[in-house]
Amino acid sequence: GQQLNQSPQSMFIQEGEDVSMNCTSSSIFNTWLWYKQDPGEGPVLLIALYKAGELTSNGRLTAQFGITRKDSFLNISASIPSDVGIYFCAGQSFTGTASKLTFGTGTRLQVTL
Amino acid sequence: DGGITQSPKYLFRKEGQNVTLSCEQNLNHDAMYWYRQDPGQGLRLIYYSQIVNDFQKGDIAEGYSVSREKKESFPLTVTSAQKNPTAFYLCASSIDATQGNQPQHFGDGTRLSIL
Repeated sequence: GQQLNQSPQSMFIQEGEDVSMNCTSSSIFNTWLWYKQDPGEGPVLLIALYKAGELTSNGRLTAQFGITRKDSFLNISASIPSDVGIYFCAGQSFTGTASKLTFGTGTRLQVTL
Repeated sequence: DGGITQSPKYLFRKEGQNVTLSCEQNLNHDAMYWYRQDPGQGLRLIYYSQIVNDFQKGDIAEGYSVSREKKESFPLTVTSAQKNPTAFYLCASSIDATQGNQPQHFGDGTRLSIL
């Protein structure tokens, strides 16, 4: 099965810095989702994007659905220690009978004080 | 509290043994999904079910089986035919798989290891 190209794979940043990560695909998606996963737990939904060009914020998080419907980015402003974790993008496609997610390989974020 | 409950949290399997992972949701969601996660990789779809008594193979269904006898339950059996079962298994659900814009919500996972 396909996996999305997500970058960077990992990043170390200092507390207070802004973070940016993105996902690209060769396929078009109807919806882009961004999840955060803490160690030993399931992914938690952060932001859902439903329309090409859409820019959505959730607190310090901002995400955009690319105009071509083949990419998305996530920005985190003023990072704090609890932002540590793995961030996954996911593209959602609808086949007419079922909705399926294709996941990126994840961006591991580590924050230094 | 409403949510998705996976059990057990940790599971060990002997060679040649079948094991079953439980997933229960009280969100009244129609659709349920099983994913496998390996270190450094994203999630890969094993099976999904849009409605009771119906399920479909995902991208990596070989060596796995599922059932959907009740709306709230979607157990996954890892059979002896799955030669590399060690992984983190995640269950998810969404309101309705026939609606394209319904995000999936996840349980906390079961970590399966081989003895």
